[in-house]
Amino acid sequence: QKEVEQDPGPLSVPEGAIVSLNCTYSNSAFQYFMWYRQYSRKGPELLMYTYSSGNKEDGRFTAQVDKSSKYISLFIRDSQPSDSATYLCAVLYTGGFKTIFGAGTRLFVKA
Amino acid sequence: SQTIHQWPATLVQPVGSPLSLECTVEGTSNPNLYWYRQAAGRGLQLLFYSVGIGQISSEVPQNLSASRPQDRQFILSSKKLLLSDSGFYLCASYLTAAGNTIYFGEGSWLTVV
Repeated sequence: QKEVEQDPGPLSVPEGAIVSLNCTYSNSAFQYFMWYRQYSRKGPELLMYTYSSGNKEDGRFTAQVDKSSKYISLFIRDSQPSDSATYLCAVLYTGGFKTIFGAGTRLFVKA
Repeated sequence: SQTIHQWPATLVQPVGSPLSLECTVEGTSNPNLYWYRQAAGRGLQLLFYSVGIGQISSEVPQNLSASRPQDRQFILSSKKLLLSDSGFYLCASYLTAAGNTIYFGEGSWLTVV
C-alpha cells in the first residue's frame, strides 16, 4: 500500500466551478499536510500547508485535514483557467526528513 | 529570501554518457537538501537527501549518485546514463518560513537518447 494515494485524474471543470481534490494516507504519524501546484515544465510550488487537523483558508483555496479518516482535501472556489495545473498532496512526520508526495491530480479549468 | 538555483535547465544526453546536475541554495545555512525525479506523468520520487556536508542518504538503488561538497551545494551525477534516467530532476530544501515544508528549484529536464 502506498503511503499517500491520489487520483491522477485528469479532472476537467468549467470556469467558476468549485473543485475538490483529495488524498488519503496510511500512517497516522504524519503531522504536516501540504498541497503543491505544478505548472507544466516547472517545479512544484507550495500552495498551502496544515499542521495536524483542521481547515486552513487562503483566498479561494481551502485545505482540510481529517485525521480520523486519514483524508486530506483541497477546495478551489470560483476556479479560473489559470488554476489549470497538477496539484500534489504531500505529508511529513514531525521531525522527519522525507516529504512523501501523492501522484498528483491534473486539473483543467475550461473558459 | 531562500532560493534554489539549478542548472542546466535542459539537456539531451546519449545513452552511456556521464551526467552532472548542480544545485545551489541561497538565503539559508546548513539546509537539508533533496534530489527528486519526476518521470513523465508520474509523481515525485525521492532519490537522495543530505543533512550536512558529505552526508548522503540514498533512497533508490540505481546508477545515480549524489554529493554535497559544500554546505549549500548539491550535485547529482551518473557515470553512464540509461534511457530510464530520462525525467525531470528537482532539487529541494526546507522553507524555514513555512514550517517543515520543502520548496523546489525550477528543475532540470533530462532526455537520454
